[in-house]
Amino acid sequence: GENVEQHPSTLSVQEGDSAVIKCTYSDSASNYFPWYKQELGKRPQLIIDIRSNVGEKKDQRIAVTLNKTAKHFSLHITETQPEDSAVYFCACKSPWRKGGNLIFGKGTKLSVKP
Amino acid sequence: DVKVTQSSRYLVKRTGEKVFLECVQDMDHENMFWYRQDPGLGLRLIYFSYDVKMKEKGDIPEGYSVSREKKERFSLILESASTNQTSMYLCASSPGLVARELFFGEGSRLTVL
Repeated sequence: GENVEQHPSTLSVQEGDSAVIKCTYSDSASNYFPWYKQELGKRPQLIIDIRSNVGEKKDQRIAVTLNKTAKHFSLHITETQPEDSAVYFCACKSPWRKGGNLIFGKGTKLSVKP
Repeated sequence: DVKVTQSSRYLVKRTGEKVFLECVQDMDHENMFWYRQDPGLGLRLIYFSYDVKMKEKGDIPEGYSVSREKKERFSLILESASTNQTSMYLCASSPGLVARELFFGEGSRLTVL
């Protein structure tokens, strides 16, 4: 069935370093790829998303890249700061899934050490 | 400001009890969702609804039911709670038919003893 694999499950970096989280998806018809950030004890919130007609999108220190041929997409965080510490979830949506519901990866716990 | 409100942040119930988790959104969104969040398993979709009185099974619907009598309210029901339903439950909503941002509630942590 349809699924999303996310790696790594945990990631520890030094403040100022870059962090990269990768996801692969199974359904080649998937056309929407958001990333959510969940800080400890808080709700998940969208930080960036990309649609299948775009290869890369940037928003300040975060960027997402999409490789449709390989069916994978990645989140890149540059110049990491302690407030970037959180669990990050990738997700994707196939056109045939009703109501806009998403399939989520299992999450990556990012720790940024000062 | 966008708001999704879940009625209970923490609940403790006993095995076999009926449990209601309520979710209300004030954004006039068509779509509402119930996810379950467990460590190492990510967010898994239980049920969703794209219109009043409409409901669709998600990926893990067994042991759950839902109700959507009004556009702004989506309820998750555990008819007979079991210990393996101990989890964090997240409600979310989104507008329209095209994939867009999900707005999540704060979550309801349910413990079944």
